[in-house]
Amino acid sequence: QVQLVQSGAEVKKPGASVKVSCKASGYTFTSYGISWVRQAPGQGLEWMGWISAYNGNTNYAQKLQGRVTMTTDTSTSTAYMELRSLRSDDTAVYYCAAGGSGLMRLWGQGTLVTVSS
Amino acid sequence: DIQMTQSPSSLSASVGDRVTITCQASQDISNYLNWYQQKPGKAPKLLIYDASNLETGVPSRFSGSGSGTDFTFTISSLQPEDIATYYCQQYDNLPRTFGQGTKVEIK
Repeated sequence: QVQLVQSGAEVKKPGASVKVSCKASGYTFTSYGISWVRQAPGQGLEWMGWISAYNGNTNYAQKLQGRVTMTTDTSTSTAYMELRSLRSDDTAVYYCAAGGSGLMRLWGQGTLVTVSS
Repeated sequence: DIQMTQSPSSLSASVGDRVTITCQASQDISNYLNWYQQKPGKAPKLLIYDASNLETGVPSRFSGSGSGTDFTFTISSLQPEDIATYYCQQYDNLPRTFGQGTKVEIK
């Protein structure tokens, strides 16, 4: 079955870091990149960045530069998104999505990250 | 950044109605435009890519058109299961940007 399965919900304090995982199955992991998109409560979709699962090349949203790192582990077909120096406005559902660098064809189920003191 | 402006922000229509959503880009994006459907509490789902190509498995009542800066998404005959928020997204430039969404409800 072709799917992306994400790690579970997280609660973090301001200033902490979070690392969300996204495990792919049912397709050749290195054939597509992984985009990360987040959605704050009641808000729209925000693109965070993209990583090529083939060679590890990345593109990040400028507003997150310096705080976000996207990586992949081809041995386990898993992508990771780490966000550091968390703030309350980072509270959101975080999605991974497989596809080309601009196309999000297959989505994970989402991971709620709550930042609260 | 390329701004994507969708209209309307919400709409209410009857089952069987034709529904049209527009998306305007702040600059020419050729046909690098996708449409997604998001049902409450669920991940988005790709419906249309490259402005007018129907994703595999998506019902043919969904369609898209346009190029340059002006795009249209249409549901030819609204069904109860189409209740969702719809987003356009450009991928001509980085960062990829989404429209603000259009919430579709049944009248």
